[in-house]
Amino acid sequence: GENVEQHPSTLSVQEGDSAVIKCTYSDSASNYFPWYKQELGKRPQLIIDIRSNVGEKKDQRIAVTLNKTAKHFSLHITETQPEDSAVYFCAASIENNDMRFGAGTRLTVKP
Amino acid sequence: NAGVTQTPKFQVLKTGQSMTLQCAQDMNHEYMSWYRQDPGMGLRLIHYSVGAGITDQGEVPNGYNVSRSTTEDFPLRLLSAAPSQTSVYFCASSYGPQSIYGYTFGSGTRLTVV
Repeated sequence: GENVEQHPSTLSVQEGDSAVIKCTYSDSASNYFPWYKQELGKRPQLIIDIRSNVGEKKDQRIAVTLNKTAKHFSLHITETQPEDSAVYFCAASIENNDMRFGAGTRLTVKP
Repeated sequence: NAGVTQTPKFQVLKTGQSMTLQCAQDMNHEYMSWYRQDPGMGLRLIHYSVGAGITDQGEVPNGYNVSRSTTEDFPLRLLSAAPSQTSVYFCASSYGPQSIYGYTFGSGTRLTVV
């Protein structure tokens, strides 16, 4: 099955700086790549996703890039704020199949 | 509209006991799945279902059973609890595994096996 690796496991940045989280996947048939945010003690929630027919997608301060050749995708958060502090999960899925998640990145934004 | 409801929120089991974690959704989602969350290991898929009467195994299915008799309910059964099953369990539902709306997760069940 699909295997998703995520780096780094922890990331600490100053408020206002950018944060980048990277993921790689193993199955070249994967075509859907969502990112979820989990605040402390809460359930994961979808923040952005990208499909294999595009290379980049942006939503305000959040952007995701996809490199199908290298089988990796990244989450970029600009102008970080304390409320961005959370655990972020990447995931990958093959058409109409189950979804596999990365191990998560704990992002801390220091005021 | 309650979304995805998981019960119980907390549970302590003794090794060898069995129990069922309940999951119900009221969004008419066809796709439902169970994940376990362990520190440093992210969310690992246990079982999933693409519709009533259809279930399939994920990456860590051993020790767990599921059934999907209705669209709304997707219970997870632990057959004989082991300390390795100590974890936080999340149920999730969606219109499909690649729905633009993403997964709706339940609030989780924290299970401790002693």
